[in-house]
Amino acid sequence: EVQLVQSGAEVKKPGESLKISCKGSGYSFTSYWIGWVRQMPGKGLEWMGIIYPGDSDTRYSPSFQGQVTISADKSITTAYLQWSSLKASDTAIYYCARHANPGGIAAQSPFDPWGQGTLVTVSS
Amino acid sequence: QSALTQPASVSGSPGQSITFSCTGTSNDVGSYNLVSWYQQHPGKAPKLIIYEGNKRPSGVSNRFSGSKSGNTASLTISGLQAEDEADYYCCSYAGSSTFVVFGAGTKLTVL
Repeated sequence: EVQLVQSGAEVKKPGESLKISCKGSGYSFTSYWIGWVRQMPGKGLEWMGIIYPGDSDTRYSPSFQGQVTISADKSITTAYLQWSSLKASDTAIYYCARHANPGGIAAQSPFDPWGQGTLVTVSS
Repeated sequence: QSALTQPASVSGSPGQSITFSCTGTSNDVGSYNLVSWYQQHPGKAPKLIIYEGNKRPSGVSNRFSGSKSGNTASLTISGLQAEDEADYYCCSYAGSSTFVVFGAGTKLTVL
């Protein structure tokens, strides 16, 4: 079974750093793009960026470029989303999701499956 | 403001058919047959229900169908059931600079 399992909820203060994870299993981790999607409280889905773990090729939404860092460690089949200095406005649920088709042009296939989500709360 | 425009809410009665719209531009929906739809129940992760405009993943009910005309994609649910009450998001590939755009989502209420 293809699965993405995300790290647990985090509570942080503004200015702190954070790295959340997404572990893939049941498929060839290096062959599929993995993306990150933000959902702010009561709001819709926002695409943040993707990474191809095979060669760490990474693409960002213009809205998130420079705000977060996406990375992956293929030796432990895990993708990461990282902040160097959190803001209150980063409070949201963050989902990782795998693009359904292997390789190919970045982001052209749909997201399937999704991780269960990681709630990040940033508050002083 | 989301890149794709969806109505905030729709409602229908059990057994009815209902259609959601998703309007983009010639840079996304209009240029690619790569629209997907996701269903999200409260507190749950989104689930893929339609991809490439009108294809259903294995296990998704055939009550769900998709279509596209110009810059507008549509999702139709036939034979509405109580369990269909959820938020529905459309998503489109948008080229090699923007990559992916989502709609703001439509909340479906089953009366």
